[in-house]
Amino acid sequence: GESVGLHLPTLSVQEGDNSIINCAYSNSASDYFIWYKQESGKGPQFIIDIRSNMDKRQGQRVTVLLNKTVKHLSLQIAATQPGDSAVYFCADNNAGNMLTFGGGTRLMVKP
Amino acid sequence: NAGVMQNPRHLVRRRGQEARLRCSPMKGHSHVYWYRQLPEEGLKFMVYLQKENIIDESGMPKERFSAEFPKEGPSILRIQQVVRGDSAAYFCASSLKQNTGELFFGEGSRLTVL
Repeated sequence: GESVGLHLPTLSVQEGDNSIINCAYSNSASDYFIWYKQESGKGPQFIIDIRSNMDKRQGQRVTVLLNKTVKHLSLQIAATQPGDSAVYFCADNNAGNMLTFGGGTRLMVKP
Repeated sequence: NAGVMQNPRHLVRRRGQEARLRCSPMKGHSHVYWYRQLPEEGLKFMVYLQKENIIDESGMPKERFSAEFPKEGPSILRIQQVVRGDSAAYFCASSLKQNTGELFFGEGSRLTVL
């Protein structure tokens, strides 16, 4: 069945370093992915999205890479800051906003 | 422009009681989605509604759970005869159009069943 999962449940990085969060998906028909950030006690917040006609998309300090061959995407955060500490989810939006979320990666930024 | 508003933020119920969770979407949004999140897990889709219509309820348990989005007023997720396994955070999201990807989530309602 469809699943979207993550390789690492917790990622600890030093402030100022770059962070890379990975995500694998199983449905080869999936063509639209979204990364969300969820801070403690809050709802998910949209970060960046990517469609399957792209391999890479950049935002402010964030980059998402999509490798359709191995069904893998990653979120790169440049110059990680304490405010980036949160749980990050990838989600498959293959069904009209009825998202399939991965299990999440907790990012901890050490000062 | 107010975001998605959910209330109550925290709700405590005893087994067998009813829980009602409310969601007011962003102004102008007619698409509403409910998700459930267990501790340390990702969100799971429950139900998708447009005004007065349930579009897809494939993620919602067939018994005890119901949802509505009336012409006037907020969307309501109703859980009857709650059990301990219903304890979770329930998030509502809204969008202007379907499949835009830019869902705007509320802060969630955290249900605790004693």
